[in-house]
Amino acid sequence: GQQVKQSSPSLTVQEGGISILNCDYENDMFDYFAWYKKYPDNSPTLLISVRSNVDKREDGRLTVFLNKSGKHFSLHITASQPEDTAVYLCAADQGGSAKLIFGEGTKLTVSS
Amino acid sequence: EAAVTQSPRSKVAVTGGKVTLSCHQTNNHDYMYWYRQDTGHGLRLIHYSYVADSTEKGDIPDGYKASRPSQENFSLILELASLSQTAVYFCASSDRTGAETLYFGSGTRLTVL
Repeated sequence: GQQVKQSSPSLTVQEGGISILNCDYENDMFDYFAWYKKYPDNSPTLLISVRSNVDKREDGRLTVFLNKSGKHFSLHITASQPEDTAVYLCAADQGGSAKLIFGEGTKLTVSS
Repeated sequence: EAAVTQSPRSKVAVTGGKVTLSCHQTNNHDYMYWYRQDTGHGLRLIHYSYVADSTEKGDIPDGYKASRPSQENFSLILELASLSQTAVYFCASSDRTGAETLYFGSGTRLTVL
C-alpha cells in the first residue's frame, strides 16, 4: 500500500492567503519528513525538511508541522504568491534506509 | 551547485525493445537513485545504489535493471520495454552523510509504443 499519502490531488488558494498541504504516513519508524516542489517539466527540488525530534520548523513563509502520534505532517505557506503554483510532493524515510518514499503530490494553484 | 544530468531527455521505444537511460552526476555523491513518475502515483523508487558496482532494489524493480559502473554514472535498463513502462524517469543523487536531500536530474520522458 501507499506508505506516504497525499489525499488532496489539488488545492486552489487566493493570492495572499495561506496554503495548507497535508501528508499522512503509515510507518511509525519514519524519522525524516520533507516537502519537494515541482514545476511542470522540471525536476523536484527540496523546499524544507524536518527530523522527528521536532514538531515544527519554520523557514520564511514555509512552516512544516509534524504530528507523530497522528502520523501526519503538513506544509503551511503564508502570503501565497502566484509563483507558488506548482506540484508539492511530501516524502518520508527511516533514518539510514536511503529510500525516500514520496506521496502522490498535490497541485497547488494560487490565483491572483 | 549539484549537477545531475540525464540522457536522453525523451525517447520513444517499441514494445519488446531494449532501452537504456543514463544518468551522470558531478556532485561526488555516493547515493544515486532512479524514480519513475506517473500521474496519481507521485515518485516511486525503482533502483538505487550507494557505491559503485553495486545496486539495490527499490519499491518497484520488476522489469528494470540498474548498473552503477562508477560513482558518477548510474543507468536504468529496460530489457523488454512494455507499454506500462511509459512514464517520466528521474535520476537523483545524495551525499553519504545521511542527509537525505535528493538532487534530481531533469527527467527522461519515455514513451513505449
